[in-house]
Amino acid sequence: GESVGLHLPTLSVQEGDNSIINCAYSNSASDYFIWYKQESGKGPQFIIDIRSNMDKRQGQRVTVLLNKTVKHLSLQIAATQPGDSAVYFCAESGAQKLVFGQGTRLTINP
Amino acid sequence: EPEVTQTPSHQVTQMGQEVILRCVPISNHLYFYWYRQILGQKVEFLVSFYNNEISEKSEIFDDQFSVERPDGSNFTLKIRSTKLEDSAMYFCASSASLPDTETQYFGPGTRLLVL
Repeated sequence: GESVGLHLPTLSVQEGDNSIINCAYSNSASDYFIWYKQESGKGPQFIIDIRSNMDKRQGQRVTVLLNKTVKHLSLQIAATQPGDSAVYFCAESGAQKLVFGQGTRLTINP
Repeated sequence: EPEVTQTPSHQVTQMGQEVILRCVPISNHLYFYWYRQILGQKVEFLVSFYNNEISEKSEIFDDQFSVERPDGSNFTLKIRSTKLEDSAMYFCASSASLPDTETQYFGPGTRLLVL
C-alpha cells in the first residue's frame, strides 16, 4: 500500500548549520517525490522535487537525495536561517494524488 | 507569480449545516484537488478533478462531500451535513498536468470549525 513516513518528528539546529530531514517511502513503484514546507497557518509550499531516474537534485540552498535501493529520500538545507523554521513534508506522487508523510518540524536556534 | 486562492480563510459552522469552500486555481492549470489536514496531523488527499469529473477520491470523500467547477475559474468543495470530525484545514491545489508529472501548488487553506 501507499505510505510515506519520516524518521523524526522534530529537528532542532543552530542557525547557520546544515539540516537534513529524512523520509522513507514504501511504494517501490513511486516515480516522483516532492518536498513541501509548511509554515504555521499556511498551505504547503513547494520546495523541490525529484524523479526516480535521478539520485540528486539541487536548488537554492536545498538538495534532495533519493536512494531507491532503500526507498529513502532526504532534504538537505544549507546554512539554515530563521525563516527555514517550519514543518517539512515529503510527498509521493501517484497518478491522481499526493501521499504525504507525517512531517518534521524544523526549529532554528539563534 | 500565479497562486491558488481560497475563501473563506476561516469558517465556523454548526454540526449538520452545509458549507461550501471556494478555490480559484492557477489559471492555466487543468487538474484540481482538495486535501485536508486535521490539526497536528499530515495532509490527506480527498479528491482529484479533471475535465469536469472526479478522477479519484479517498475513503474520506463520502456522500456528504461533493466538488464542482461552476465556471471557468472557481472550484468548490461542499460538505452537505457537517460533522464534528470535519473540523480541519482544507487545502485546494492545482497542477498543469497529472500529479506524477507536474507539481501541485497549494492554496493557503480554509480552517473549518464544526461546533
